[in-house]
Amino acid sequence: AQSVTQLGSHVSVSEGALVLLRCNYSSSVPPYLFWYVQYPNQGLQLLLKYTTGATLVKGINGFEAEFKKSETSFHLTKPSAHMSDAAEYFCAVSDLGFGNEKLTFGTGTRLTIIP
Amino acid sequence: DGGITQSPKYLFRKEGQNVTLSCEQNLNHDAMYWYRQDPGQGLRLIYYSQIVNDFQKGDIAEGYSVSREKKESFPLTVTSAQKNPTAFYLCASKKTGTGAGYTFGSGTRLTVV
Repeated sequence: AQSVTQLGSHVSVSEGALVLLRCNYSSSVPPYLFWYVQYPNQGLQLLLKYTTGATLVKGINGFEAEFKKSETSFHLTKPSAHMSDAAEYFCAVSDLGFGNEKLTFGTGTRLTIIP
Repeated sequence: DGGITQSPKYLFRKEGQNVTLSCEQNLNHDAMYWYRQDPGQGLRLIYYSQIVNDFQKGDIAEGYSVSREKKESFPLTVTSAQKNPTAFYLCASKKTGTGAGYTFGSGTRLTVV
């Protein structure tokens, strides 16, 4: 069984500061990992994903995440926060490579940007 | 452009009524999913379908029903047996056998009045 833990249901950072959203996963097979962003009353939009290959993954809007197998982590970062980054962020895991087509989501982290 | 469309965006239901939420995709995706989202609880899987005429229960299927008669469509019915239906409902789809992740619709907010 897979699971995802997102540490911190709410994170606040100042505009221009580093954004760090934490995600730890549990999976019995090599995982596929995803970060999604959700703006109010909208669906989820894919930010970035890790399947295989390079462990540092770059996504849209200046976000990136690093897959660390030894730490079972996939933390999301952005060097400089912008007001438009205020949203809810979800980490997800799947063993898609092994025939399982379901994603398991974390409970989300709401990011607030302080002007 | 291809995408996934949910309708309506807002829906109001009276106690004891069944309501159906629509989900249509033109992405030629095989798999489709329904999630329920409540504040602080993340996304919980209701039903999913990986092929036409077949679907499986997710973690919270009680009080819900689905059908998959066409590849493009995966409607969700919220029945009167669902005691707390007020929530935001999200439909998603993906191409099976790939690491592409899900494509989401924009959601339907259901409120019991």
